[in-house]
Amino acid sequence: GAVVSQHPSRVICKSGTSVKIECRSLDFQATTMFWYRQFPKQSLMLMATSNEGSKATYEQGVEKDKFLINHASLTLSTLTVTSAHPEDSSFYICSAREDARNSPLHFGNGTRLTVT
Amino acid sequence: DQQVKQNSPSLSVQEGRISILNCDYTNSMFDYFLWYKKYPAEGPTFLISISSIKDKNEDGRFTVFLNKSAKHLSLHIVPSQPGDSAVYFCAASVNGGNKLVFGAGTILRVKS
Repeated sequence: GAVVSQHPSRVICKSGTSVKIECRSLDFQATTMFWYRQFPKQSLMLMATSNEGSKATYEQGVEKDKFLINHASLTLSTLTVTSAHPEDSSFYICSAREDARNSPLHFGNGTRLTVT
Repeated sequence: DQQVKQNSPSLSVQEGRISILNCDYTNSMFDYFLWYKKYPAEGPTFLISISSIKDKNEDGRFTVFLNKSAKHLSLHIVPSQPGDSAVYFCAASVNGGNKLVFGAGTILRVKS
């Protein structure tokens, strides 16, 4: 089945630094990937849609200058949390789907970001 | 405004019995529904889906029922196994589209 790989699984960084998270589709091409965020005991919230070869589409309330998304190829999207602050500490999950209508989203294993 | 609601934060079931997880939605434009299972510190794993043109979809021990008039869907797991213990998320989309709206999840504990 389709596999989405996310790296790193866990990262701790200091306030003010930037962190890059990678999301790869391993056995399929994905023109679109999605970045979610999950706070403890809450649902997954879509942050942005990453589009290969064009700008990402951000959900309302998500700062595009803070969460930089680059979709460099059909199998790789990156999320960079810039100038991280403790309130950015969260579980970030990427997902992708094969380019077919009604095909399910496949999720990576997530990245636990802790900003100290 | 929560468009997808899972009103039971947790459910405890004896091994071998049926687990029933419920989900309600408010947006009548949703036409594709999915259930995901999630273990701690892992991403969600797709379980089963259903299109709004159907009212039931079955895959092994998992069956999803959709009641469009009530805007309600449920996931049945039978027989329940200890390995089924996880958080279950209900999700919905419009026109089978990319944007999934998730419920808050239900923690299922299957006791042996």
